[in-house]
Amino acid sequence: EAEVAQSPRYKITEKSQAVAFWCDPISGHATLYWYRQILGQGPELLVQFQDESVVDDSQLPKDRFSAERLKGVDSTLKIQPAELGDSAMYLCASSFTGALGTEAFFGQGTRLTVV
Amino acid sequence: AQSVTQLGSHVSVSEGALVLLRCNYSSSVPPYLFWYVQYPNQGLQLLLKYTTGATLVKGINGFEAEFKKSETSFHLTKPSAHMSDAAEYFCAVSAAPYGNKLVFGAGTILRVKS
Repeated sequence: EAEVAQSPRYKITEKSQAVAFWCDPISGHATLYWYRQILGQGPELLVQFQDESVVDDSQLPKDRFSAERLKGVDSTLKIQPAELGDSAMYLCASSFTGALGTEAFFGQGTRLTVV
Repeated sequence: AQSVTQLGSHVSVSEGALVLLRCNYSSSVPPYLFWYVQYPNQGLQLLLKYTTGATLVKGINGFEAEFKKSETSFHLTKPSAHMSDAAEYFCAVSAAPYGNKLVFGAGTILRVKS
């Protein structure tokens, strides 16, 4: 069964260091999402791509976070420098289209701990 | 803007008992509503969704939910809880013009007692 792949599953980094997460969506899915889930809260959208273009990054802290999806397939989310408050689960999801109501399939996430 | 409120951060039921997880939403336009389940250190799996049409929606693993516009609610139920239902459940909403962006509630942790 096709699934969204994320790596690494776990990451521990020191504050002020750079960290990157990778996501490979389900083949053929044009829309890719990065969500952040802080412990005890629901996921919050950071950025949404349609193919290689960003369609929503209104909640992305652009002073330290960046995201790219250069060829419209896999994607990388980077944090530089990491802060203690960035400790969270980072979830990648993909959907066939960005049309309203289209099911989004989630990866297993990357759990980031900043020390 | 849209928002979701899940009443009760923790719900405990006995095995075989009715499961009821509450969700209320706020949306200025007709919403699409979703329930997702998350097991520890895993991603989210879709249980069911309401888009248009029939207001009683059936999902996987015996769960169902009913969209009640007058009450702005989308509560999740299952007639008989199983131990394997223990997990965290998230209600989410999306609506135009925000496209397929999901806005999630804070989640409800379901505990099933033997």
